Amino acid sequence: SQELEQSPQSLIVQEGKNLTINCTSSKTLYGLYWYKQKYGEGLIFLMMLQKGGEEKSHEKITAKLDEKKQQSSLHITASQPSHAGIYLCGADGPKNRAWGTGTASKLTFGTGTRLQVTL
Amino acid sequence: DGGITQSPKYLFRKEGQNVTLSCEQNLNHDAMYWYRQDPGQGLRLIYYSQIVNDFQKGDIAEGYSVSREKKESFPLTVTSAQKNPTAFYLCASTDARRLNYGYTFGSGTRLTVV
Repeated sequence: SQELEQSPQSLIVQEGKNLTINCTSSKTLYGLYWYKQKYGEGLIFLMMLQKGGEEKSHEKITAKLDEKKQQSSLHITASQPSHAGIYLCGADGPKNRAWGTGTASKLTFGTGTRLQVTL
Repeated sequence: DGGITQSPKYLFRKEGQNVTLSCEQNLNHDAMYWYRQDPGQGLRLIYYSQIVNDFQKGDIAEGYSVSREKKESFPLTVTSAQKNPTAFYLCASTDARRLNYGYTFGSGTRLTVV
């Protein structure tokens, strides 16, 4: 089964500083998702990466998938208190979705990175 | 607006009791999932269902049961056989017919054994 390892496990940064979270897979990534979670709440979708070398940005958050599709990084520029929370990477397995048969894949998650932003 | 509704938000169970967690979606998604999250850990897959009347075990299915009688609903029962049920439970869904389609999550149910 696919395993995802995130680093660091926790991170404390001062407001305004940049930070990077990494997600490394034991197998090729077919689809890599980044989610954010506030304690005790559901997951908020941030970005999805599929192609090797792909990079996506939303506001001050940028995610990249390396060429070999086994590692992804999430970079936050000029961090703010609103960025605090748990960041989770999730990986799709290979898919074979055909109409009516619904052969959906399983979404596997990393262990998460807890981010605190201090004033 | 479409989304996933989990209820209740908090649930307390006495030892030896079965409890059922509700998950309802109005997104017309065919695939639904149940995950368990323990403090300081990521999400682990309990069960998932690709279509109505069909479901598969995930990585930690022991002590849990599910049903999928309707497309919109995927309830999870935590049985007395689950020895350590205290955790945060999350339900998710996706459109299995579309490749690279995202997953939508509910707001979760926190189960505590008293």
